[in-house]
Amino acid sequence: EDKVVQSPLSLVVHEGDTVTLNCSYEVTNFRSLLWYKQEKKAPTFLFMLTSSGIEKKSGRLSSILDKKELFSILNITATQTGDSAVYLCAAVNTDKLIFGTGTRLQVFP
Amino acid sequence: AAGVIQSPRHLIKEKRETATLKCYPIPRHDTVYWYQQGPGQDPQFLISFYEKMQSDKGSIPDRFSAQQFSDYHSELNMSSLELGDSALYFCASSLRLGGIRSSYNEQFFGPGTRLTVL
Repeated sequence: EDKVVQSPLSLVVHEGDTVTLNCSYEVTNFRSLLWYKQEKKAPTFLFMLTSSGIEKKSGRLSSILDKKELFSILNITATQTGDSAVYLCAAVNTDKLIFGTGTRLQVFP
Repeated sequence: AAGVIQSPRHLIKEKRETATLKCYPIPRHDTVYWYQQGPGQDPQFLISFYEKMQSDKGSIPDRFSAQQFSDYHSELNMSSLELGDSALYFCASSLRLGGIRSSYNEQFFGPGTRLTVL
């Protein structure tokens, strides 16, 4: 059965801290891995990772995929209160997304 | 830039009623996906359509049906509603470059329809 596991489940940090969110997966017909940010509404697309070892960056966020060890990490540096959200990792099985339960990040000033 | 449009945004129904949710994908996107997200849960894949044909099916109850029309919009029809159907229903769209076996699968989500069944 397809499985995506995220850790930690919850994270509370102060502004300026750096955080690392983990995502491991066991998915048949794996195509790619996606990261989303969800704040009380629809998930907002962050990254799509298809190849191992190639870091993707967008401002203070970066992510990398390890297809051998079947995991991905999402890094957020210099966190801000606006980063507070649930971060969802999803693995693509053929063409459907298998989501993890998410990591709830709370950033306090 | 145009995004995925869903309507209605909120819907309140009673048990055993029917509901129809609509999704308008990003222009030129050819694939539509439906997800259900219960309170405090991660989104669960229901069904997807590529070029108006069903391409994959997940945990969609038999009481639900969906289709994609010639203009690529999609509708999720839900009958005999139950209390447990109360959830956020997201539609996502993508452009499947390279056809059905393409690995390109960047899915963009709509704002969701919040369905409450009383």
